[in-house]
Amino acid sequence: EVQLVQSGAEVKKPGDSLKISCKGSGYSFSMNWIGWARQMPGKGLEWMGFVNPVDSETRYSPSFQGQVTFSTDNSINTAYLQWRSLEASDTAMYYCAAHTTDGVFDYWGQGTLVTVSP
Amino acid sequence: HSALTQPPSASGSPGQSVAISCTGTSRDVGAYKYVSWYQQHPGKAPKLMIYDVNKRPSGVPDRFSGSKSGNTASLTVSGLQAEDEADYYCSSYAGSLHVFGTGTKVTVL
Repeated sequence: EVQLVQSGAEVKKPGDSLKISCKGSGYSFSMNWIGWARQMPGKGLEWMGFVNPVDSETRYSPSFQGQVTFSTDNSINTAYLQWRSLEASDTAMYYCAAHTTDGVFDYWGQGTLVTVSP
Repeated sequence: HSALTQPPSASGSPGQSVAISCTGTSRDVGAYKYVSWYQQHPGKAPKLMIYDVNKRPSGVPDRFSGSKSGNTASLTVSGLQAEDEADYYCSSYAGSLHVFGTGTKVTVL
């Protein structure tokens, strides 16, 4: 069974750094792209970008370029989403998704709620 | 890469059909077969319902169907059931990136 398990909810202050994780199992993690999506409170889904565990290639959606960093550790089948300096506007639910079928992100993590408040 | 355009809402009575459109451009929906649809219930993660325009993953009822014409894709839910009430998002490959639609809230009357 394919599973993506994300790290728990975080409460941070503006200016803090943060790294959240997404651990894959039940499929070949190192061979399949991982996507990250943001959902702000009461709003729609937005693709933030993608990371290829095979060669660490990253693709960032324009709105997120320079704002976040994607990475993976294939030794523990885990992908990461990282911020250097959080802002209140980063308050959102963040989802990871695995691309195990060509052209589609078919398996999703349960989400990680990030709250940034003074 | 602008978001794909979906109607904010759609509704139907139990047993009826509802269709949701997803309008993009010749650089995304119109260019690739990689159009997918996700269902999201409140507080839950998105669930894949349709991929490659009209394919259903295992376990998705055949009441859900997809199609595409030019730059517009569509999701049709036939025989509406109470559990179909949710938000629905389309997504399309756009050449190195993917883009979501604006989302449609489906209400079962």
